[in-house]
Amino acid sequence: EPEVTQTPSHQVTQMGQEVILRCVPISNHLYFYWYRQILGQKVEFLVSFYNNEISEKSEIFDDQFSVERPDGSNFTLKIRSTKLEDSAMYFCASGRDTRGQPQHFGDGTRLSIL
Amino acid sequence: KNEVEQSPQNLTAQEGEFITINCSYSVGISALHWLQQHPGGGIVSLFMLSSGKKKHGRLIATINIQEKHSSLHITASHPRDSAVYICAVRGATNKLIFGTGTLLAVQP
Repeated sequence: EPEVTQTPSHQVTQMGQEVILRCVPISNHLYFYWYRQILGQKVEFLVSFYNNEISEKSEIFDDQFSVERPDGSNFTLKIRSTKLEDSAMYFCASGRDTRGQPQHFGDGTRLSIL
Repeated sequence: KNEVEQSPQNLTAQEGEFITINCSYSVGISALHWLQQHPGGGIVSLFMLSSGKKKHGRLIATINIQEKHSSLHITASHPRDSAVYICAVRGATNKLIFGTGTLLAVQP
């Protein structure tokens, strides 16, 4: 069965550094999402992406965050200047449509900011 | 107040028991998801519901749109069912709004 794949599985970065989290969504999916889960807390929506543009973003997704679909397969989340509070598990998800089909999640990238 | 509330937060059961996890939500939704998260963090979609009931193996999910309530049932529970079970709703936009999860431990 097709899967959403995320790399790396664990990223350790110094505070203030830029980090790029990578995702390969399922190939015939058109809708893409990033979520994050701070340790011990619930999963939170960051951003959704469709037709090469952001369709919705949360208040967490400030100017330090950006997303890109640089080619036909990858979907990336960039954090420009990381803070300690960006430490979390980041999940990528993709969906074929917005109503009838579920979102499929990757295994996540654990981001640790030192 | 959370838009999606789950109960219980923690649940310990003996192998073979029938388990029910509840989810209530306060927003209008187009669909409700039940998800499973194992230690190590990966999220697996179990069900997506917009009405009625769905069954997959030993798992059953029901939803009552009028009461804004859903339940996830596990029949003949097994230690391998131990995980965090998460209810998430999809509202007017595509994003999912998550509950805080129910930590289930099934003891042999």
